[in-house]
Amino acid sequence: QVQLQESGPGLVKPSQTLSLTCIVSGDSISSGGYYWSWIRQHPGKGLEWIGYISYSGSTYYNPSLKSRVSISVDTSKNQFSLKLNSVTAADTAVYYCASLYSSSRVRYFDYWGQGTLVTVSS
Amino acid sequence: DIQMTQSPASLSASVGDRVTITCRASQSIFNYLNWYQQKPGKAPKLLIYAASNLQSGVPSRFSGSGSGTDFTLTISSLQPEDFATYYCQQSYSAPLFAFGPGTKVDIK
Repeated sequence: QVQLQESGPGLVKPSQTLSLTCIVSGDSISSGGYYWSWIRQHPGKGLEWIGYISYSGSTYYNPSLKSRVSISVDTSKNQFSLKLNSVTAADTAVYYCASLYSSSRVRYFDYWGQGTLVTVSS
Repeated sequence: DIQMTQSPASLSASVGDRVTITCRASQSIFNYLNWYQQKPGKAPKLLIYAASNLQSGVPSRFSGSGSGTDFTLTISSLQPEDFATYYCQQSYSAPLFAFGPGTKVDIK
């Protein structure tokens, strides 16, 4: 059973960089067919996909956040990370890491971390 | 961009009721449609993938159907633990992914 756990500061000041890490356990982050994703949820709102990374480092980001977001992977530590720069109050949200299973016929987010609330405030 | 809508936005139902939630895509997404359940304070949980495939461990009272632009999630007999918000998610436009706005199911 794959488990994901987010970690990082719960409070970030405006204009600074939000940094989160997701530790993957129960399987190798290099497992075939998987991409490692970040998804966020503004308070009381729906889900917004931020982006993903493959174990080899290929990334794809939501165009609405692309200019501010960076996702990296550390296979030696079986973890991946999110950086979102120039944050504002609009970036206050619960941030989830999730595994994306992708094949030629199906693509879905099957395992999720518990989520971590990040508040942007001075 | 493919837009996803869900209806209703919320519904009230009783234990034992049959519940149907609809998800519509702005263009055909074939069967690249997944359903998730989210309870308050918890991460979403995958229920159905590829429109009609039940994820392992999910009770058989959940079912999904549809293809193209119109999809449904059905709960055949609502149980107390099913009161939650349900999201559809399209993966046709991968590597770009989008979720529907959600349908909240609460107790009548």
